[in-house]
Amino acid sequence: DAGVTQSPTHLIKTRGQQVTLRCSPKSGHDTVSWYQQALGQGPQFIFQYYEEEERQRGNFPDRFSGHQFPNYSSELNVNALLLGDSALYLCASSPVGTEQETQYFGPGTRLLVL
Amino acid sequence: SQQGEEDPQALSIQEGENATMNCSYKTSINNLQWYRQNSGRGLVHLILIRSNEREKHSGRLRVTLDTSKKSSSLLITASRAADTASYFCASIASGYSTLTFGKGTMLLVSP
Repeated sequence: DAGVTQSPTHLIKTRGQQVTLRCSPKSGHDTVSWYQQALGQGPQFIFQYYEEEERQRGNFPDRFSGHQFPNYSSELNVNALLLGDSALYLCASSPVGTEQETQYFGPGTRLLVL
Repeated sequence: SQQGEEDPQALSIQEGENATMNCSYKTSINNLQWYRQNSGRGLVHLILIRSNEREKHSGRLRVTLDTSKKSSSLLITASRAADTASYFCASIASGYSTLTFGKGTMLLVSP
């Protein structure tokens, strides 16, 4: 059983560009959350998707948007990239009916904005 | 913003010793969880303790929770070099379903 997968593993962009990161949840999981982890910091919650809708959102600007597909996979889009968007982006999935208590994380996508 | 603070920020011990990390949080919680992260990659869930529990064990891990002080501790007994990693506490606030992480403790276990 595959765990949470993310693509790509690494990405280099320049300021002002747009980026799309992808996540496939663990089998049987229907909820996907995205986190941003700056160097030396803990992950910060961006948003959570359930049933193809954004259910909760953290304190991130509208440049950060997302989508969840019918197969529960998800995308994170960031527009007008800033240098400060350089970070590890983590996707986490959680199973049906457990109140999202335990989240299973993917390996992350490391984004560098130059 | 991050809710919790871990203490210490970094910890260096020898194999066989015990490692204790502490975490504080700010709001009422449903549960508190501890995660491990190796080399800046994905996080691995270690243990969950609910707000009505005071202590929980899992293998070499022991977690305590003091809701009156809004604090938790993680004890790793008989540490191994493979325990070298960053450890994060994360809480789920009452009425929410998302994790709020602290800044983490970097643990180095030397052979």
